[in-house]
Amino acid sequence: QSVLTQPPSTSGTPGQRVTISCSGSSSNIGSKSVNWYQQFPATAPKLLIYRNNQRPSGVPDRFSGSKSGTSASLAISGLQSEDEADYYCASWDDSLKEVFGGGTRLTVL
Amino acid sequence: QLQLQESGPGLVKPSETLSLTCTVSGGSISSSSFYWGWIRQPPGKRLEWIGSIYYSGSTYYNPSLKSRVTLSVDTSKNQFSLNLTSVTAADTAVYYCARVPLELLSHYYMDVWGKGTTVTVSS
Repeated sequence: QSVLTQPPSTSGTPGQRVTISCSGSSSNIGSKSVNWYQQFPATAPKLLIYRNNQRPSGVPDRFSGSKSGTSASLAISGLQSEDEADYYCASWDDSLKEVFGGGTRLTVL
Repeated sequence: QLQLQESGPGLVKPSETLSLTCTVSGGSISSSSFYWGWIRQPPGKRLEWIGSIYYSGSTYYNPSLKSRVTLSVDTSKNQFSLNLTSVTAADTAVYYCARVPLELLSHYYMDVWGKGTTVTVSS
């Protein structure tokens, strides 16, 4: 099945740098761009990173994305309490559909 | 400021057709720069891409849903719609509409989302 794999949860303390991984395959991440979405409870996802490492206007530069081979990472530096949310990676797949990771819940301790 | 708003029944009976509409405000659905898409999220599960449509009617569908999904666009009302036939409890989800910048498929992403609407399939 063409899906992306993320850790279900991660945590950090204020000010810390955390990273969230996203593992795919040659049919998606390995040959396509990766995007990241941030979702707070009971709200719609928000585009956080697109084209692997591009930030939409208004997204703080504390958020950064990278890709290597069939994996990608989202890094959040200077962690803040308001960063506590679910984070999803996504990528187009050769099966002609957009595929998503299972989401990573970030807890700020 | 572009806004998208989903609308439609919150409860659909099994075997019937789920119909949702997304109204676009603050911008034109006829823009040559964007596709318009649908995504859903079943309770406690990952996001699932349903498909996207261009103002001309060109579409991309999730292969796993393609036999049951139809997307359409009404440029006069600045709306696009989703029809999902033969629904079951597995189609219970929050349904989102979104804007998709027109780029190569290898760079597909959704940059503006609606707030979502909950659809429950139950008798």
